[in-house]
Amino acid sequence: DAEITQSPRHKITETGRQVTLACHQTWNHNNMFWYRQDLGHGLRLIHYSYGVQDTNKGEVSDGYSVSRSNTEDLPLTLESAASSQTSVYFCASSNGQLMNTEAFFGQGTRLTVV
Amino acid sequence: GDSVTQMEGPVTLSEEAFLTINCTYTATGYPSLFWYVQYPGEGLQLLLKATKADDKGSNKGFEATYRKETTSFHLEKGSVQVSDSAVYFCALGPGGTSYGKLTFGQGTILTVHP
Repeated sequence: DAEITQSPRHKITETGRQVTLACHQTWNHNNMFWYRQDLGHGLRLIHYSYGVQDTNKGEVSDGYSVSRSNTEDLPLTLESAASSQTSVYFCASSNGQLMNTEAFFGQGTRLTVV
Repeated sequence: GDSVTQMEGPVTLSEEAFLTINCTYTATGYPSLFWYVQYPGEGLQLLLKATKADDKGSNKGFEATYRKETTSFHLEKGSVQVSDSAVYFCALGPGGTSYGKLTFGQGTILTVHP
């Protein structure tokens, strides 16, 4: 079955370190997204991509970067981790250009910055 | 910009009780509206959606009607079960060139007791 997987599921890192969270989907979806989930805020969009070599900033992109070198993967990098980036991170993918297209979510990565 | 507001939670109900979770939105144009559900330890999954005014989305006994005049998309279920305990997110999907980018409400935690 096609799926979307995130790794690691849990990560503890120190302030100032670079961290990369992986996201891999096997649906061959063009669109991929990274969100962070924080209590009281729901999910907020960090970065997104509509295809290979395409990346765009979302609502809360400061301190994060992404790259899209193939269809399947959209890794999220925290350049210099900060305590404010402690959160649960979700990757999602969807296909097509319709506004009602369903997004499929990974199981999330819980990141703690100490 | 676009925004989604959900009723404050958490919501605690007894099995077979009636459920309503309120959701209102602010958006330009004619967005699609979604309800996503997150079960403990899992990613989000689509529960139902509606793409235009007066559309009713339904799934697993849950229903929501796209009300443009009141900018609302309230979630209802006539008789909840313990297995419905989860976090519910209302979301908005814009049209045009911003397809796939979802704006989420803050989420409502639902707990159903036997």
